[in-house]
Amino acid sequence: GQNIDQPTEMTATEGAIVQINCTYQTSGFNGLFWYQQHAGEAPTFLSYNVLDGLEEKGRFSSFLSRSKGYSYLLLKELQMKDSASYLCAVRSSNTGKLIFGQGTTLQVKP
Amino acid sequence: KAGVTQTPRYLIKTRGQQVTLSCSPISGHRSVSWYQQTPGQGLQFLFEYFSETQRNKGNFPGRFSGRQFSNSRSEMNVSTLELGDSALYLCASSFRDAGELFFGEGSRLTVL
Repeated sequence: GQNIDQPTEMTATEGAIVQINCTYQTSGFNGLFWYQQHAGEAPTFLSYNVLDGLEEKGRFSSFLSRSKGYSYLLLKELQMKDSASYLCAVRSSNTGKLIFGQGTTLQVKP
Repeated sequence: KAGVTQTPRYLIKTRGQQVTLSCSPISGHRSVSWYQQTPGQGLQFLFEYFSETQRNKGNFPGRFSGRQFSNSRSEMNVSTLELGDSALYLCASSFRDAGELFFGEGSRLTVL
């Protein structure tokens, strides 16, 4: 089966850097996604990793280590609008399913 | 380019009733996935359709069913509603196989 773990809540200060970790176990691996979801809104795509290493996109970066079953999302220069839930999702190459973790609620404080 | 459209946005039903939710994917997207989101369980995978065929199914009872039409629009149906079915039902479409998902705003179902 698939299992995805991420912290439930995190708090950080405006202007700082925060790292949200995600560990996973899956039957076959075919990519890891990060989504952002503001309260009452739909999840929106942030990043995609299928090979080991760091993918950078503006203030957001995502890292993947397939051998360790580990990823993190790095948010730099935090802004108040970054307060949201961050969802890690893994696609199984065996089943094709994209399974989401419970999400990490990030609160950015002034 | 219009996004993923879900209807209705909000609905209230009573136990034992049935409900049908609709999803129109982004034009050109042939893959449609459905998820149930609740505060306690997060996003739970329901099903995935591609070219009118169900490719994957999550661990939900047979009361949950779905289908996809030739124009890629999709519907999901929940019969004999239970209180625990109260949730936000999210539909997402994808352009390519195993690609990123684009989510709709969801249909919020309340079962009384």
